[in-house]
Amino acid sequence: GDSVTQMEGPVTLSEEAFLTINCTYTATGYPSLFWYVQYPGEGLQLLLKATKADDKGSNKGFEATYRKETTSFHLEKGSVQVSDSAVYFCALGLSGGYNKLIFGAGTRLAVHP
Amino acid sequence: GAVVSQHPSRVICKSGTSVKIECRSLDFQATTMFWYRQFPKKSLMLMATSNEGSKATYEQGVEKDKFLINHASLTLSTLTVTSAHPEDSSFYICSARSHLVTRGAEAFFGQGTRLTVV
Repeated sequence: GDSVTQMEGPVTLSEEAFLTINCTYTATGYPSLFWYVQYPGEGLQLLLKATKADDKGSNKGFEATYRKETTSFHLEKGSVQVSDSAVYFCALGLSGGYNKLIFGAGTRLAVHP
Repeated sequence: GAVVSQHPSRVICKSGTSVKIECRSLDFQATTMFWYRQFPKKSLMLMATSNEGSKATYEQGVEKDKFLINHASLTLSTLTVTSAHPEDSSFYICSARSHLVTRGAEAFFGQGTRLTVV
């Protein structure tokens, strides 16, 4: 069935370090891919998205490229800040039905000064 | 982006009582809303898909008599946890998508409701 696999956290980095959070997926058809971010005690916010192969989503210094050949959508940021500390969820949006989202397990990121 | 408001943000109730959680899309019409449950340090588990004017579609393993979903209008869906027990304590999150669903359309999320059953 359709699924998303994310690297386990927590990921702990120093400020200005390079960030990679791996995400791979299994899906039939042609899903859209998303990264959502959840700050403590809050709901989810869309960080970036890509709707087809080779698309690159970017926002707030974060980037992810939709790689169909490796079924991946890894999240990267060149220089993290303390304010980036949050939980990051990779998700795929199914192209049929009610367009529901399937989420990965989430990766907690902690950035220290 | 569009705004989805969820209320209450926190609720504590006694075991055996029922609790209603509201999810409203404030500036767009949502024919479909989704209800998720999030366990501590875990991902979001889709509970059900709520469709305006019709019965909700529940995911496998979710008790529909326990978690009553009503989607009475294009801007409001409610989740009622009936006869709550301590194991129902969790973080519940709703999301909504515009009725003009296009490929890659994002879902907008409420801020979540922390339910504690004592």
